[in-house]
Amino acid sequence: EDKVVQSPLSLVVHEGDTVTLNCSYEVTNFRSLLWYKQEKKAPTFLFMLTSSGIEKKSGRLSSILDKKELFSILNITATQTGDSAVYLCAVGNTGNQFYFGTGTSLTVIP
Amino acid sequence: DTGVSQDPRHKITKRGQNVTFRCDPISEHNRLYWYRQTLGQGPEFLTYFQNEAQLEKSRLLSDRFSAERPKGSFSTLEIQRTEQGDSAMYLCASAPLPEIAKNIQYFGAGTRLSVL
Repeated sequence: EDKVVQSPLSLVVHEGDTVTLNCSYEVTNFRSLLWYKQEKKAPTFLFMLTSSGIEKKSGRLSSILDKKELFSILNITATQTGDSAVYLCAVGNTGNQFYFGTGTSLTVIP
Repeated sequence: DTGVSQDPRHKITKRGQNVTFRCDPISEHNRLYWYRQTLGQGPEFLTYFQNEAQLEKSRLLSDRFSAERPKGSFSTLEIQRTEQGDSAMYLCASAPLPEIAKNIQYFGAGTRLSVL
C-alpha cells in the first residue's frame, strides 16, 4: 500500500531555532515529492522535488530528496512565529495521484 | 481572484440529508482533484478528473460519494445520506497538464462540512 510518513508529528521551538522535518515514502511509480505549508486554510505550495541530491531553496526554507533511501527533509533556519503551521509532504505518482502524510505541526514560540 | 474557488465555505446539515459542493479550478488547469481532510490528518485523495474524464474514483469513500465535471471546468462533489463521520474539510485542487515541471497542485480554501 502506498504511504507517506512524516516525523515528528509535532514540534515546539523558540524563535531563531533551526528545524528539520522528515518525510519518508513508499509510493509505486514515484514522480515527484511536494512540500506544502498549511495554516488555518488551504495548503500553500513550497517545493517540488523530482531528482535526488538537488537542494531547493527559498529564503530560510530548503529541501532535498533522496530517491534511493526514499525520504526528503525540509529545513527551516532562523524560525519565526510566522512559520507556525502544519507542514505537509505529498508524493505524486505517474498516474497523477497524490498521497499525503499526516503533517508535522510546528509551533514557534517568541 | 484567479485561484481555486470553493463554495460554500461552510455547510451544516442534518444526518441523512444530501449535500453538494462546488469547485471552480484555475481556468487554464485541466486537472482537478478532490480530497477530504479530518482534524490532525493530511488530505486524503478521493477522486481526480482530467478535463471532463474522471480518471480515478476507486478511492471515493463509499457509494454515497459522487463527483462530476460535466464540461471540464467546474466540478461538484455530492454526498448522499450524510453521516456524522462525513464531517470534515473537503478540499479541491487543480493542476495544469502533467508535465514534470508543473506537477503542482493548487488548493482552494475548502468546504467545511458539519453533520449534526
